[in-house]
Amino acid sequence: NAGVTQTPKFQVLKTGQSMTLQCAQDMNHEYMSWYRQDPGMGLRLIHYSVGAGITDQGEVPNGYNVSRSTTEDFPLRLLSAAPSQTSVYFCASSPNPGVNYGYTFGSGTRLTVV
Amino acid sequence: TQLLEQSPQFLSIQEGENLTVYCNSSSVFSSLQWYRQEPGEGPVLLVTVVTGGEVKKLKRLTFQFGDARKDSSLHITAAQPGDTGLYLCTPDFGNEKLTFGTGTRLTIIP
Repeated sequence: NAGVTQTPKFQVLKTGQSMTLQCAQDMNHEYMSWYRQDPGMGLRLIHYSVGAGITDQGEVPNGYNVSRSTTEDFPLRLLSAAPSQTSVYFCASSPNPGVNYGYTFGSGTRLTVV
Repeated sequence: TQLLEQSPQFLSIQEGENLTVYCNSSSVFSSLQWYRQEPGEGPVLLVTVVTGGEVKKLKRLTFQFGDARKDSSLHITAAQPGDTGLYLCTPDFGNEKLTFGTGTRLTIIP
């Protein structure tokens, strides 16, 4: 079982470039989410999805788009990267929302925007 | 808006000492999870507490859920270098948005 797989592990972008961070899980989890982690800020929720075809905004959604066409995949798109988006990004999945089920996290993507 | 605070923000102690870290909320929550995150990795679930006043033990780690359901603590006995990491709490406020505290960064000095 691979769990939650994030690619790439590292990425450097120039301001204004676009890219997609990939997230895939093989546990048939309905709930998936994206977080960014900055020093001293903890994990902040960007977008989440409670199932295929359903997405919603988290705490810091501006500058990011998501889609959920399958249960397994939940890509995060940066349409025009900005230096403020330099961060470590984590994808997480769970059978259902709420803490009773436990969340499985990927190992993260470290993004630098120059 | 629920406010969530973890304290202390940083803690550095010698191997073998005991320590306690705290997670406090401005709102009541139904349950709570603690995670540990090691450098370069994603958080890993340690425990879920679901009942006010509940105490759970995981080897040298003791987790307590406050009676008022607004706070939780994690106590580590005889800390070891392998306990080093960022400890995060996340309460369940009954919505779909999982909120994390800013964490306690723990360093155990051999």
